[in-house]
Amino acid sequence: DVKVTQSSRYLVKRTGEKVFLECVQDMDHENMFWYRQDPGLGLRLIYFSYDVKMKEKGDIPEGYSVSREKKERFSLILESASTNQTSMYLCASSLLYTLYGYTFGSGTRLTVV
Amino acid sequence: DQQVKQNSPSLSVQEGRISILNCDYTNSMFDYFLWYKKYPAEGPTFLISISSIKDKNEDGRFTVFLNKSAKHLSLHIVPSQPGDSAVYFCAASVMNYGGSQGNLIFGKGTKLSVKP
Repeated sequence: DVKVTQSSRYLVKRTGEKVFLECVQDMDHENMFWYRQDPGLGLRLIYFSYDVKMKEKGDIPEGYSVSREKKERFSLILESASTNQTSMYLCASSLLYTLYGYTFGSGTRLTVV
Repeated sequence: DQQVKQNSPSLSVQEGRISILNCDYTNSMFDYFLWYKKYPAEGPTFLISISSIKDKNEDGRFTVFLNKSAKHLSLHIVPSQPGDSAVYFCAASVMNYGGSQGNLIFGKGTKLSVKP
């Protein structure tokens, strides 16, 4: 069964902490994405990557960075967590050439206190 | 500016009846559309898609209709079941040269409740 695995389901962090959200896929997908989901705002793209060591900004990259050192792993980094980054974070992946959308992970519910 | 709009945040339907979820888009370059379903505490899962060369695509109880002139698509679920209760996201993209999907732009979602 193909999977996108996010390392934590729930996280609670303090304001100002550096936070790492990890995502691993086992489908040999080239593309990987980080979204956040907030009530009334839907899914908003933070960053995406088409290849190892490659990254592109999405719609809301401010306050975030990413790392893709290996094809299967895409990390989202909150350099200094703030309360407005409390959200559900969703990782997704896809083949470079496909018509089957993205495969999403189960999400990480991050609370910044 | 929102390129993909789902104007109904919620929809309530009786079990066995038809559910119709609507989606509008503003970018006339979009030529590939998808619907995703999301249960609480889970990631969205792909449901059905349609390209702009078609106006209808069916998969079991799910049918997506595309009206290009109106820049409107809809998802019909017949008959609706309580297990269909979820948030439904519409997504759109511009297909790449070579016929692959481009980056997906998502709507804000519609929460469907199917009552027994």
